[in-house]
Amino acid sequence: DIVLTQSPESLAVSLGERATISCKSSQSLLYRSDNDNYLAWYQQKPGQPPKLLLFWASARNSGVPDRFSGSGSGTEFTLTISSLQAEDVAAYYCQQYHTPPYTFGQGTKLEIK
Amino acid sequence: QVQLVQSGAEVKTPGASVRVSCRASGYSFPDYFFAWVRQAPGQGLEWMGTINPNGGATTYAQKFQGRVIMTRDRSINTVYMELNSLTSDDTAVYYCARVHVEGAMFDFWGQGALVTVSS
Repeated sequence: DIVLTQSPESLAVSLGERATISCKSSQSLLYRSDNDNYLAWYQQKPGQPPKLLLFWASARNSGVPDRFSGSGSGTEFTLTISSLQAEDVAAYYCQQYHTPPYTFGQGTKLEIK
Repeated sequence: QVQLVQSGAEVKTPGASVRVSCRASGYSFPDYFFAWVRQAPGQGLEWMGTINPNGGATTYAQKFQGRVIMTRDRSINTVYMELNSLTSDDTAVYYCARVHVEGAMFDFWGQGALVTVSS
């Protein structure tokens, strides 16, 4: 199985500041045939289901604010929130859909400093 | 708008089975696969398997092979997940999710159904 390791496990950032979360994969998530990275990011607020933020490592889902961005390729990926808002307090998960079983990172809890 | 509405919370004893339903609305039901993902209390997300509502074909995570059955009823736009031989380790919130048309990421989620396994 592909293992995704997120860091840090928790993160406290001041309002308006940048938040950065890392996701490292045990195998490359890049399909050379289409040059796409099969990685998604989700946001989960307490008591709610996850919400898809980004897919193909950097494509924003419909309705997702542009302060959320994704980067990386192969085995190393980053989710960046450019200017933290109060409503961004949540857990964030990466997920690979390159190879079943589709696995998730262990999550990163983002709080306000 | 797309909506996935799941059945309610369940309490089961060890060794029992549970079936969770997920009714879809707001889009063409046969056109999108479904996935089931669970989350133990305070823990991360775990993919259990996927079902094609068009033909009913399934793909299960090896961890759940032989213990999970995913089915669908096209007449009422509903998918089901049945998990057998429950143990306390199966206590979790079970989510259904629609699989994105471009790949196996999950673009819409049900509200979740808490299954508690306790003697």
